[in-house]
Amino acid sequence: EVQLVESGGGLVQPGGSLRLSCAASGFTVSSNYMSWVRQAPGKGLEWVSLIYSGGSTYYADSVKGRFTISRDNSKNTLYLQMNSLRAEDTAIYYCARDVGDDWYFDYWGQGTLVSVSS
Amino acid sequence: QSVLTQPPSVSGAPGQRVTISCTGSSSNIGAGYDVHWYQQLPGTTPKLLIHGNSNRPSGVPDRFSGSQSGTSASLAITGLQAEDEADYYCQSYDSSLSFYVFGTGTKLTVL
Repeated sequence: EVQLVESGGGLVQPGGSLRLSCAASGFTVSSNYMSWVRQAPGKGLEWVSLIYSGGSTYYADSVKGRFTISRDNSKNTLYLQMNSLRAEDTAIYYCARDVGDDWYFDYWGQGTLVSVSS
Repeated sequence: QSVLTQPPSVSGAPGQRVTISCTGSSSNIGAGYDVHWYQQLPGTTPKLLIHGNSNRPSGVPDRFSGSQSGTSASLAITGLQAEDEADYYCQSYDSSLSFYVFGTGTKLTVL
């Protein structure tokens, strides 16, 4: 059974950093495309970042230069390092498994809440 | 910011049929990229409902169907049930922006 479990969210001050984790089971993270998608309180979904199975990484313009996606193959875990956080980064962050070249997400984690506030 | 436009809300009585539209542009739906739909029940994580414009994953009732034409797509729900009350999002790929784009979201209310 495919499962994705995020952790690492919390309250952080503007300008601060946070690292989110997404532990996967039932499949191999490194063999799949994996993404982070966020949802601000009461708002819609916004794609944040993607890592290809080959390791290439991509980012939404809103987070480019501040966020870094990575993975640890030995732990079958996806990460999102978030630096220079802003109030507008406040959201629930979901990790999601990408269905390769079909460009959609077939499994989602339960999400972890990131709040950026002083 | 969302580049796929959906109506903010739709409603229907139990047993009725409702449709949710998703309007894009020539760089996403109009360019031939597939449309996918997600259902987000209150307080829960998004769930894949339709992929590849009209394909239902295993376990999704056939009351849900999708279609696509030109720069738009639609999700139809027949035989409305109380448990269908949720937010629905369309999603596609955009060649001029960064990868994935989502719709603005539609709240379905079952009267």
